[in-house]
Amino acid sequence: GAGVSQSPSNKVTEKGKDVELRCDPISGHTALYWYRQSLGQGLEFLIYFQGNSAPDKSGLPSDRFSAERTGGSVSTLTIQRTQQEDSAVYLCASSWDAANTGELFFGEGSRLTVL
Amino acid sequence: KQEVTQIPAALSVPEGENLVLNCSFTDSAIYNLQWFRQDPGKGLTSLLLIQSSQREQTSGRLNASLDKSSGRSTLYIAASQPGDSATYLCAVTNSGNTPLVFGKGTRLSVIA
Repeated sequence: GAGVSQSPSNKVTEKGKDVELRCDPISGHTALYWYRQSLGQGLEFLIYFQGNSAPDKSGLPSDRFSAERTGGSVSTLTIQRTQQEDSAVYLCASSWDAANTGELFFGEGSRLTVL
Repeated sequence: KQEVTQIPAALSVPEGENLVLNCSFTDSAIYNLQWFRQDPGKGLTSLLLIQSSQREQTSGRLNASLDKSSGRSTLYIAASQPGDSATYLCAVTNSGNTPLVFGKGTRLSVIA
C-alpha cells in the first residue's frame, strides 16, 4: 500500500483478555517501530525491528507485551491479560533504513480501550 | 538518557500571524531531528527532517532550524492558517539504530 496500515483502528476489550494489533509497513521499508500514546502523554517507544536483526525490545513495559515481524514485513503486537492501564493508541511506523535518513512514516494507530 | 521538551504546551494565535514552536533536547549528540504534525485522532505526519550536519530545512511556509550545541530546534510557521491547527511534535534520535525520542508536543490553534 501507499502508507503504513494498521488494524483494527479501534478495539474494545475486557480486562484480562488478549489482543493482537497488526501493522503493515510501507513496501520495502526495513525498519519498523511500535509506539504507544496515552492520553495527555508523549509517545512511548515499545519495540523496534530492523531487517533480520534481533529486535530492540527495551521499551516493552512488561512481559505481557510481545511483538513479532514475519518475513521482514507485517508485524503483530500482542498484549496478554490486558489491564486498564494498557488503554492507549498504539502507533506503528516504518522507514527505509534507520541508518539512512531515518525519516519515519506513521500509521493512523490502533485505539485500544480496556474495560 | 535523552529527554525532549517542547514549549509552549499550547498556543493560540490569530490567522495570519507568524509563530515559533520550540524544542529542546538534553543530549546534543543527535543523529537527526524530526518535526511531526498530529491531527486529533490521527497518526503522525512527518513535516521536516534535519540531519545532524544540517542547520535548517524548509518546506513551504515551514522552516525548522537546528542548533545542536545548545540542544535546540525551532519550527517557524509563516502566515498561519486555521488548517495549521494541530499538535506539533519534535523528536530526536542519537544514532541510526535507536528509536526516536519524542517531546509531548505543542497544541496549536489558529483562530480565523
